[in-house]
Amino acid sequence: EVQLVESGGDLVQPGGSLRLSCAASGFTFGTYSMNWVRQAPGKGLEFISYISPTSSAIYYADSVKGRFTISRDNAKNSLHLQMNGLRDEDTAIYYCARVITTSGWYEDFWGRGTLVTVSS
Amino acid sequence: VLTQSPATLSLSPGERATLSCRASHSLGRSYLAWYHHKPGQAPRLLIYGASNRATGIPDRFSGSGSGTDFTLTIGRLEPEDFAVYYCQQYDISPRTFGQGTKVEI
Repeated sequence: EVQLVESGGDLVQPGGSLRLSCAASGFTFGTYSMNWVRQAPGKGLEFISYISPTSSAIYYADSVKGRFTISRDNAKNSLHLQMNGLRDEDTAIYYCARVITTSGWYEDFWGRGTLVTVSS
Repeated sequence: VLTQSPATLSLSPGERATLSCRASHSLGRSYLAWYHHKPGQAPRLLIYGASNRATGIPDRFSGSGSGTDFTLTIGRLEPEDFAVYYCQQYDISPRTFGQGTKVEI
C-alpha cells in the first residue's frame, strides 16, 4: 500500500525557517517524481514544488521561488522541503504527493499533510 | 484559470451529483484530473485524462468533457462521497487547481 507521511509542520515567526519531511513507503520511491502542494486556510490547492526521480529536474511556483528548496534522499525514501524567509501567506497545510509523468503530470497519491503556521 | 460550479451542492445519499469544471483556455490534450478531499485526510485521485478512473475508484464516478468544459458525475452518492472535489488541469503551464465544489448532505 502506498503511504506518504508528512512531518515537520509547526508554528514559526515571519522570516523564520522550517524543514518539512515526507516518508514514503509501499512503492519504489526512487523511480517516481514527487511534488509538494499546499492549501491555505479557506483556499484551494496550490502547487509548490516538483522534483524528478534523480533530482535532475526541479521546479518551483513563483510564490516560493528563492525561498523554498526541495530535495530527496532515495536511499531513505524521503522527500524534504526547506522553507526559509517564511511569510504569513505561507500558512497552510503542506502535502507531499507522488507524481505520474507518463501522460502529462498529475498527482496520484497524497499524504494527509502537515500544518505550517506563520505568525508572530 | 479553472472555475468550478456550483460552489456547494446539497444532495442526499443515493442521488446523482454533477459537478462542472470550466477552463479559461482550451485543454487540447484533455489533461484534467478530479480529486476527492475530506478535511484531515489525504486528497484522493478519482479521474485523470478527463475520463479515466484511477485505480480502485468505484464505477459510480465518471468524468467527461473536452476543450474548456469538463464534468464529474457521481452516479449514486454514498456517505463517504460527501466531501470537496477539486479539478486540476495539467495541460497548460502553470498547472492549476479549481477552487472546489463541496458536496454536502
